[in-house]
Amino acid sequence: DTAVSQTPKYLVTQMGNDKSIKCEQNLGHDTMYWYKQDSKKFLKIMFSYNNKELIINETVPNRFSPKSPDKAHLNLHINSLELGDSAVYFCASSPRGGGVYNEQFFGPGTRLTVL
Amino acid sequence: SQQGEEDPQALSIQEGENATMNCSYKTSINNLQWYRQNSGRGLVHLILIRSNEREKHSGRLRVTLDTSKKSSSLLITASRAADTASYFCATALSGAGSYQLTFGKGTKLSVIP
Repeated sequence: DTAVSQTPKYLVTQMGNDKSIKCEQNLGHDTMYWYKQDSKKFLKIMFSYNNKELIINETVPNRFSPKSPDKAHLNLHINSLELGDSAVYFCASSPRGGGVYNEQFFGPGTRLTVL
Repeated sequence: SQQGEEDPQALSIQEGENATMNCSYKTSINNLQWYRQNSGRGLVHLILIRSNEREKHSGRLRVTLDTSKKSSSLLITASRAADTASYFCATALSGAGSYQLTFGKGTKLSVIP
């Protein structure tokens, strides 16, 4: 069974469009994250939710809006897509406070290409 | 600024050799974690070492942590072609940053059969 899943795996779209990426974890974890990995493989935290509450919101354009309908899901909606949004987006989860307390479990990633 | 910096950026070795990767960081940490990323895949957690630990082993992996030098190393012994991947260190801060991991840029390891 897939622990952290993301859909879609690939997303190709035009500039200016709005798109969403979905993430689900079946591990019973409290905390979920969105990361962006650029072309140089640098992985940067975007958002973190703990029990559906936003706890980390790094400097990300407000075109990016996370939504957590329940503890097992954290979706990422992106408005007015720009060329610079092209990257691989990873969802991750952890049992609780996945930094100090324990490791994070990553999804397979969504490769977003903006044309 | 970026917390973790891996060194070298790329490493190519023959199967059976040992591979050593280093990570340096800037601020005090609660723990340091190493992750592996195979091409086109998500990151997989390898090992976590806490700030009060100096060395940790897991199978063919050995991690050391020197908090006085703010550095860590990951040693993979008797490497295999399947170890080919990018390896990232990630640091966890205490307090307000306790939910957050800060990743380095990674070391790309190639193990030649």
